Amino acid sequence: AQTVTQSQPEMSVQEAETVTLSCTYDTSESDYYLFWYKQPPSRQMILVIRQEAYKQQNATENRFSVNFQKAAKSFSLKISDSQLGDAAMYFCAYRITFGFSGNTPLVFGKGTRLSVIA
Amino acid sequence: GAGVSQSPSNKVTEKGKDVELRCDPISGHTALYWYRQSLGQGLEFLIYFQGNSAPDKSGLPSDRFSAERTGGSVSTLTIQRTQQEDSAVYLCASSPTGGLTNEKLFFGSGTQLSVL
Repeated sequence: AQTVTQSQPEMSVQEAETVTLSCTYDTSESDYYLFWYKQPPSRQMILVIRQEAYKQQNATENRFSVNFQKAAKSFSLKISDSQLGDAAMYFCAYRITFGFSGNTPLVFGKGTRLSVIA
Repeated sequence: GAGVSQSPSNKVTEKGKDVELRCDPISGHTALYWYRQSLGQGLEFLIYFQGNSAPDKSGLPSDRFSAERTGGSVSTLTIQRTQQEDSAVYLCASSPTGGLTNEKLFFGSGTQLSVL
């Protein structure tokens, strides 16, 4: 079974500073995708960034970037120049590449609650 | 609508009662997903619809849980004889095709279910 582990239940960062959220996953698959979703107090999950396992280059979206270490099965999220609006729950997720069986569900970690201190 | 809409936003019920949770996906989105988020837990996959059919019901925790989708649009998640352990936030998401692994899911704001 695929599992996703987020070892930091809570993190905090000063405004304008950089913070890294960790995520590890366990899989026997070689082809898959990894995602980070943000859940603000409104509860509505929002996609932050995604990474394809076969791509060695780390994905970047503005202030958000990942450090993908495939051999170590690690997928950390770095938030640069943290803003008050970044305060939320962050979920790491994993998805096996679709095959003949079709769609596979996203498997989520338990989340990390990020606080941003003004 | 502009986004995924879920109703009600909050639901309080008594143990043993049946509840229905509604999800209205983004217009035109083929795939629809239900997830459950319990306190301190991640999101637990419940069921997935492609159009009106549900090829993957593997996540439904018991036969008290059922879901349907009509007209390729609105979906209803029904929980019969609710138990206290059913208390959670039930999140619905949709995606345009359900055919791409990296396809972005669009989530609703969920229904907070409290079973007393």
